[in-house]
Amino acid sequence: DSGVTQTPKHLITATGQRVTLRCSPRSGDLSVYWYQQSLDQGLQFLIQYYNGEERAKGNILERFSAQQFPDLHSELNLSSLELGDSALYFCASSLEDRYNEQFFGPGTRLTVL
Amino acid sequence: QQQVKQSPQSLIVQKGGISIINCAYENTAFDYFPWYQQFPGKGPALLIAIRPDVSEKKEGRFTISFNKSAKQFSLHIMDSQPGDSATYFCAALIYNQGGKLIFGQGTELSVKP
Repeated sequence: DSGVTQTPKHLITATGQRVTLRCSPRSGDLSVYWYQQSLDQGLQFLIQYYNGEERAKGNILERFSAQQFPDLHSELNLSSLELGDSALYFCASSLEDRYNEQFFGPGTRLTVL
Repeated sequence: QQQVKQSPQSLIVQKGGISIINCAYENTAFDYFPWYQQFPGKGPALLIAIRPDVSEKKEGRFTISFNKSAKQFSLHIMDSQPGDSATYFCAALIYNQGGKLIFGQGTELSVKP
């Protein structure tokens, strides 16, 4: 168990809908990362937050947004969902400057029907 | 230039054998190279990592070999065990650009008893 928690575990929704995925980092970790894992794209970095501020950005779609709250938990919002958004979404966390030691949560499996 | 290419896609090894997974990169700005292990239904977990100023790093049965001139690195699993059966991902990071891990496509390892 990495100490990173993600909810929900599974999410099934329809095209065009909006969902929110939640992540609680390990105690003491200030950085939170979001990754998408799909069969065709593999593991792709989406975005990183550090202590509430955006720190790095990957190829995150404009329909996707994230934020990190004062209590350090993070949410990933996915809107106008498409079939191709079906994937596993992982959150990871690390100590403030230890980008090289990211601890991954168990993931949220999103299915868009 | 941001890609990390990983091979083979799948690997079957007998118990006690050596498993070898290879990765290649183009971007010479990468300065940290971790390997992650992922079991079904779980998030990736950091296994072992290396910096480009080191040619080899060993932790227990796991060894990373790094060839800076060839821009290649590999994971060797000695005395492979059925419990090592998992998907392995190589990755690369540019440390001063935050925590954007660039992952290889993954290798599904099966160790037969």
